[in-house]
Amino acid sequence: GQQLNQSPQSMFIQEGEDVSMNCTSSSIFNTWLWYKQDPGEGPVLLIALYKAGELTSNGRLTAQFGITRKDSFLNISASIPSDVGIYFCAGQENYGQNFVFGPGTRLSVLP
Amino acid sequence: DSGVTQTPKHLITATGQRVTLRCSPRSGDLSVYWYQQSLDQGLQFLIQYYNGEERAKGNILERFSAQQFPDLHSELNLSSLELGDSALYFCASSVGAQPNSPLHFGNGTRLTVT
Repeated sequence: GQQLNQSPQSMFIQEGEDVSMNCTSSSIFNTWLWYKQDPGEGPVLLIALYKAGELTSNGRLTAQFGITRKDSFLNISASIPSDVGIYFCAGQENYGQNFVFGPGTRLSVLP
Repeated sequence: DSGVTQTPKHLITATGQRVTLRCSPRSGDLSVYWYQQSLDQGLQFLIQYYNGEERAKGNILERFSAQQFPDLHSELNLSSLELGDSALYFCASSVGAQPNSPLHFGNGTRLTVT
């Protein structure tokens, strides 16, 4: 079945730094979602993307739907300690199909 | 708060037993999804219901079953439990009317099989 790859698997950054992570697929997707999961909690939707090239922001977070429709990017600016968690991407290949989730990027923010 | 409610939060049981996990979707959402997340793993899709009917099946074991009731809440039944079934089980809901409407997750049920 479809598989999503997320890069990097994990990252350690200093507070205040900007963060970039991406999600790639071998298939063309029509929808990309980005979630954040805190320890012991469920994933929380951050940003939803529906069109190739779309750039959407949510506070310090910005995500882009790649032009090739096979990737998506998430950037976090001026990281803070509460940004710590696992960031998951999810993609939908065809309308009505279930979303496939990537393995996650684990973010640690050092004070 | 996503609006998706899962109970119980924690469940500890022995191998061979059967448990039921419950989920109430967000108000107005017709679709319910169940996911399994093992330690440090991603989210594995188990099953989806839409307005009471099974819509899609993922990697769900035959020992597991689910249903969605007329009031739209859902239950996931896990039977003949094995140690490897220990995991976080998440329920998510979506409007469902739009085929690409995002999923909203509950806080999960942590199942420990001893």
